Amino acid sequence: GEDVEQSLFLSVREGDSSVINCTYTDSSSTYLYWYKQEPGAGLQLLTYIFSNMDMKQDQRLTVLLNKKDKHLSLRIADTQTGDSAIYFCAEASPVGKLIFGQGTTLQVKP
Amino acid sequence: DGGITQSPKYLFRKEGQNVTLSCEQNLNHDAMYWYRQDPGQGLRLIYYSQIVNDFQKGDIAEGYSVSREKKESFPLTVTSAQKNPTAFYLCASRVLLNEKLFFGSGTQLSVL
Repeated sequence: GEDVEQSLFLSVREGDSSVINCTYTDSSSTYLYWYKQEPGAGLQLLTYIFSNMDMKQDQRLTVLLNKKDKHLSLRIADTQTGDSAIYFCAEASPVGKLIFGQGTTLQVKP
Repeated sequence: DGGITQSPKYLFRKEGQNVTLSCEQNLNHDAMYWYRQDPGQGLRLIYYSQIVNDFQKGDIAEGYSVSREKKESFPLTVTSAQKNPTAFYLCASRVLLNEKLFFGSGTQLSVL
């Protein structure tokens, strides 16, 4: 069935790059997404990638997609303390609902 | 401002009580969704609706009910049959042919 897996925790120093990884199972997904959740808040759409793309860059964010391995990553350059949050990857199922990973907590140390 | 409004932000339920969480959107989105979030877990889909007066069960619909009488509104009722209702509930919506999902700010439900 559909499943999305992420590592649960990542800690980096301010100014370093962060790389958050995700694997998914549904090869028919058309879009894959990255969402950010700050404490007590809803999810904010950060970026997304269409399944026929390998890479997408948006300011400090770079998304890499390896369709063969069903692997998605989010790189945050020059990570700031304001980037501390939970990051969710999600794939779109054929019926249009999103399947979310467990979320990766990013801790940024000053 | 356009957006998705969830209310209340915090809600407390007594044993045996039904409670209703509100979700309103003024984005003219066709589809609306309810997700449940438990600590350390991803989001799990409760119910979704792609059109007025129609809705489908998600992965964990037992103990919940919804209605979609208006395009803008998709209230979720947590019934007394839901034995473990304490969670963060998120409402979301999207335009049908665009898969980007937009979220409200959530309702934290706790049991007294």
